[in-house]
Amino acid sequence: AQKITQTQPGMFVQEKEAVTLDCTYDTSDPSYGLFWYKQPSSGEMIFLIYQGSYDQQNATEGRYSLNFQKARKSANLVISASQLGDSAMYFCAMRGNRDDKIIFGKGTRLHILP
Amino acid sequence: GAVVSQHPSWVICKSGTSVKIECRSLDFQATTMFWYRQFPKQSLMLMATSNEGSKATYEQGVEKDKFLINHASLTLSTLTVTSAHPEDSSFYICSASTGTGLENTEAFFGQGTRLTVV
Repeated sequence: AQKITQTQPGMFVQEKEAVTLDCTYDTSDPSYGLFWYKQPSSGEMIFLIYQGSYDQQNATEGRYSLNFQKARKSANLVISASQLGDSAMYFCAMRGNRDDKIIFGKGTRLHILP
Repeated sequence: GAVVSQHPSWVICKSGTSVKIECRSLDFQATTMFWYRQFPKQSLMLMATSNEGSKATYEQGVEKDKFLINHASLTLSTLTVTSAHPEDSSFYICSASTGTGLENTEAFFGQGTRLTVV
């Protein structure tokens, strides 16, 4: 069975600082993908970044980077130079190649302080 | 990114009636669609996974006769909440993917539907 764990229910970060959101996972699939989504108060799910289990390099998308440590089964999201608009819920998710479904962690609510 | 349109964005219905929610992929063909339910301040709980032309695969504990899912084409999936009750009130959100888990492709989400049963 697949499992995603996000241990930080909430975080407060000063604007312009970098922030790391933790995510650990468990799966028996040999190949899988890891995702991060942002959910603002309006409810829509915004895709941020993707990391494949066989990718050699950590994924980066603008201010977002994924610190992928396969041996530790962790896929932390790093947001550099945080902005007030980054305040939202952030979900880590995983999709395995055998168990074809995308499951989500419980999420982390990020608050950026001015 | 690809666009997924979910309709309606909100609906209020009377207890005992049925409600249909549509999920459309506007600019791509969705091999797989997922339906989630989200309670306030909680995570997304996967209800079912559907592939075009075949029956949906429901997660444990999800009543397939209550939550009818149809994936009739590569661009449309529908979720019908039958005989809705107040406890079915929730935020329902669909997502669509161009590939299967084998390709490890991302999924794009609709805007979500807030269902209130009175």
